[in-house]
Parts: sequence; structure tokens; C-alpha cells
Amino acid sequence: GENVEQHPSTLSVQEGDSAVIKCTYSDSASNYFPWYKQELGKRPQLIIDIRSNVGEKKDQRIAVTLNKTAKHFSLHITETQPEDSAVYFCAEPMYSGGGADGLTFGKGTHLIIQP
Amino acid sequence: EPEVTQTPSHQVTQMGQEVILRCVPISNHLYFYWYRQILGQKVEFLVSFYNNEISEKSEIFDDQFSVERPDGSNFTLKIRSTKLEDSAMYFCASSGPFGRDTKSSYNEQFFGPGTRLTVL
Repeated sequence: GENVEQHPSTLSVQEGDSAVIKCTYSDSASNYFPWYKQELGKRPQLIIDIRSNVGEKKDQRIAVTLNKTAKHFSLHITETQPEDSAVYFCAEPMYSGGGADGLTFGKGTHLIIQP
Repeated sequence: EPEVTQTPSHQVTQMGQEVILRCVPISNHLYFYWYRQILGQKVEFLVSFYNNEISEKSEIFDDQFSVERPDGSNFTLKIRSTKLEDSAMYFCASSGPFGRDTKSSYNEQFFGPGTRLTVL
């Protein structure tokens, strides 16, 4: 896929509340959906990913849901903590989803955790 | 835990000069990538490399750019005749091998710390 839409661009939540970031993709053949976290001045780091053969994946406070019919996937962070403050990017493979496939990234969501 | 490394961390160059950005991917990885991120914007794919040749490239990766794996460990991005708009953070990434016996998620790409390129 060459186009992935990400919303919102900025999200401010109270510490302890949940945060949800949503991405919409256009290529129905896409089969892999990662989420990256990027702290200021640092490298993007994978926090969770999901393949198209499952609808949800969870890792402690982080979960990703995938709706293939609607072609969107969402990142859910529960019990938010100050260290969750960062920019979060969704992505999808650009082409075939094979080993050498580059990723198309969304524009990012700046998550701010208010104390 | 092994990491992708990149040198230099910051490169300043004059417009029109050539620069070479260097990366050392994770040692058993097979697939290598270059991305760039203009300040405050999203990460953009440039090129992927596998089995000593370019696998895919984006529209950004024009004749000004080239990649090379000169030895068994380094992966380089060369930018000829730099332009002001080439100023960005350049990230190298690597992934693979894949399979049931590996710990890597399918297509999981590990990013290096980046090289900030400033073209004056």
C-alpha cells in the first residue's frame, strides 16, 4: 500500500486513561501492520504488530485491533503513563509484503500524557 | 541485544557535495533499508536491499542516490550533489531472517539511531 491515513495528529490524555490511535489503509492485499513509537530525537521502535490473519493482539497495556473489512487498524494503550508520551506511527508494507518490502508510514500521532 | 548502528550521528555538508552515510545492520539480518525523516514529518521509505542488489525503491530514490554493501558488515547510502532539501534524518533498518525458528516478527524492521544530515 502506498497510502495510510492516521488520526488524530495530536492526542492528549490524562495519566491513567486510555488512548486510541487509528489508521486506515487502502490496499486490501496488505497483510502486516506494525506500530512504531518514536521518542524525541530517537529512532522508531516497534511496539506491536499484527498480521492480517488475526483480529486482535495484546501485549500488556498495548493492543492492536484490525478490521479488514473496513481496512483500518487501531492502537490501544490502557493505563497510560508519562513514559508513553511520544510520537506513534502506524505503517503497512508498500508492495508485496515480502521480506524486502519497505514500509509506508502514517503521518504520526503526538501522544501527550497529562499528569 | 544486538542493534543497528549508524555513523556519523550528524553530518554537515555544503550544497553540491557528496556524502556517504554508513550503517552496520544486525549481523544475521538479510534485508536492509534506508528511510528518511524530514524534521517534524513522517518516516519515508527510500530503498530496500537484498542479496547484494536493490529490491525496491521509492520515487524519492532517484539517480542522486545509491546504496552499496561494500563488505560483509557495512551498508552505505551515497548522496551525490546534495541539495538543501536533502536535509533530514536518515535511518537505516534491517530485518530477517524469517521463519518459525526465529524470534523476529514477520517483517519486523529494526531501526538504527539515524544520521542527521544538514545541507548548507
